[in-house]
Amino acid sequence: QKEVEQNSGPLSVPEGAIASLNCTYSDRGSQSFFWYRQYSGKSPELIMFIYSNGDKEDGRFTAQLNKASQYVSLLIRDSQPSDSATYLCAGIMNNNAGNMLTFGGGTRLMVKP
Amino acid sequence: NAGVTQTPKFQVLKTGQSMTLQCAQDMNHNSMYWYRQDPGMGLRLIYYSASEGTTDKGEVPNGYNVSRLNKREFSLRLESAAPSQTSVYFCASRQGNDQPQHFGDGTRLSIL
Repeated sequence: QKEVEQNSGPLSVPEGAIASLNCTYSDRGSQSFFWYRQYSGKSPELIMFIYSNGDKEDGRFTAQLNKASQYVSLLIRDSQPSDSATYLCAGIMNNNAGNMLTFGGGTRLMVKP
Repeated sequence: NAGVTQTPKFQVLKTGQSMTLQCAQDMNHNSMYWYRQDPGMGLRLIYYSASEGTTDKGEVPNGYNVSRLNKREFSLRLESAAPSQTSVYFCASRQGNDQPQHFGDGTRLSIL
């Protein structure tokens, strides 16, 4: 079973700090990774995707991919209370059903004013 | 631009009743998915449809059936609802194998 693993948290950071969310994956052949944000009672919302090794920045968000170590991370700079949510890491993995999007269990982030 | 639309948003059923959850997408996506999400369990795939005319079981298909009515619509049916099926159900779609999924707003289903 190919998996995506995340620490469930909660990860608590003060307002203005950098929040670092991490994810590891088991399928060395995976090429594409996505970060979703899910507010309580809402549906997952795509916020970042990364296909290549290295960093990808979009506003306050930076996604990092290290294929050799099989981890993906999401950095949120200048964290705001509105960033408090569960963050889901997902990777496209090849299994019996073809190229399926496999989700981690999510990390709950709490940004305290 | 509606994206993925799910109906209904909320539903309460009695044990043994049947129900169909509807999902439609207007993004011309090939693949559609049904998930359930329970506290502490993350997203679990129930069924998916890789393309119009095909459906396949996911991780937790027991007690459910699906129909890919056309390219836009993918419905999920509970033939005889059980309390264990109380959950939040999400429909999602994506264009291709390397693309992300886009989710509907979810259906909150309670079975008494």
